[in-house]
Amino acid sequence: NAGVTQTPKFQVLKTGQSMTLQCAQDMNHEYMSWYRQDPGMGLRLIHYSVGAGITDQGEVPNGYNVSRSTTEDFPLRLLSAAPSQTSVYFCASSYSMTGLDTGELFFGEGSRLTVL
Amino acid sequence: KNEVEQSPQNLTAQEGEFITINCSYSVGISALHWLQQHPGGGIVSLFMLSSGKKKHGRLIATINIQGKHSSLHITASHPRDSAVYICAVDPNFGNEKLTFGTGTRLTIIP
Repeated sequence: NAGVTQTPKFQVLKTGQSMTLQCAQDMNHEYMSWYRQDPGMGLRLIHYSVGAGITDQGEVPNGYNVSRSTTEDFPLRLLSAAPSQTSVYFCASSYSMTGLDTGELFFGEGSRLTVL
Repeated sequence: KNEVEQSPQNLTAQEGEFITINCSYSVGISALHWLQQHPGGGIVSLFMLSSGKKKHGRLIATINIQGKHSSLHITASHPRDSAVYICAVDPNFGNEKLTFGTGTRLTIIP
């Protein structure tokens, strides 16, 4: 049982390049999400999904794209990287909550992205 | 938008001390998460609660959901407890619209 697997752990891009951050979970979780973590700020939601084929925007979606073709995978695409996207990115998953017993969040180990 | 504030921002204590970290929020919620992040590491869920108190080992979390306040306590603190502790509030039992605090950096000195 691997939990939430996020790749790559580190990436350096040049302005204008594109890339995909991969996120996979093996817990059959309906809910998956992407956050970015910047110094002095709380985690901010980029995009989320409540099931295969369903995605929605979070607080800071501009410049990012997602899709959810399977329950397991939720990749985050940077279409044209900008220095403002330099951040640490976290993928998280959980069951769609019906109560406190199902709401525990599981996070990936994070991906540190630098855009030059 | 829910405003989530944690205090203190930084806390340094001696090994063995009783630690309290606070989280307050401005808008009513359904549940609150406490998370732990070690330096350079991933984020681990500690608690999710909507009323009363939960205990796991040396960690205790309490919430007064009507009073818009939660606390995380660590008894008999140990250097391995050194981490950033983050609270996150959930408006409607779905994890879809969480708002996170900026975290409390805890350092326990041997």
